[in-house]
Amino acid sequence: DGGITQSPKYLFRKEGQNVTLSCEQNLNHDAMYWYRQDPGQGLRLIYYSQIVNDFQKGDIAEGYSVSREKKESFPLTVTSAQKNPTAFYLCASSTTLTGPAKNIQYFGAGTRLSVL
Amino acid sequence: DQQVKQNSPSLSVQEGRISILNCDYTNSMFDYFLWYKKYPAEGPTFLISISSIKDKNEDGRFTVFLNKSAKHLSLHIVPSQPGDSAVYFCAASGRRGDMRFGAGTRLTVKP
Repeated sequence: DGGITQSPKYLFRKEGQNVTLSCEQNLNHDAMYWYRQDPGQGLRLIYYSQIVNDFQKGDIAEGYSVSREKKESFPLTVTSAQKNPTAFYLCASSTTLTGPAKNIQYFGAGTRLSVL
Repeated sequence: DQQVKQNSPSLSVQEGRISILNCDYTNSMFDYFLWYKKYPAEGPTFLISISSIKDKNEDGRFTVFLNKSAKHLSLHIVPSQPGDSAVYFCAASGRRGDMRFGAGTRLTVKP
């Protein structure tokens, strides 16, 4: 059945290390998003992509990078420049077709990243 | 700058009563508003939405009200059930498709 798969569920990063979080969807959605959630806070937008080979920075893009080489995949790399990476990371996707449905984002189960 | 605000971090209601969750926004360019429900260690799930051209949308026990002049929306749950206990996020979407979320309100429905 269709959905969004994030892996791994838990990830640990050492100082100075880059790590990549995976996000795959089989919903045939054009748009994909990455959010970060810190304890007691809402979701903050890191990057989003409306179409393959194109993406835009969100509100907190510094220290992160993304790629969108395939429609189904939108991996997020947390670079060593991100000094406070410990958080819960959520990936989402949505259609871009005209109509109310384009506003509804569907989320994966998340990846919890911790620093060793 | 937080564009979507949920000023109540928590709310506790008795089973069978009404739950009212509130949300305020600052950006008048938002044209679609949504409520998501989230359990710990899971992704949010879509609950109900409303377009900026409407002032009310109802789906079973859930109703969302939008007051554009006040830049305020609310979610009403009637009657509240223990299974409704979760964190509820308000979200607002602009024409570019990027979405902004509030900090969430933890709802506890007591049996």
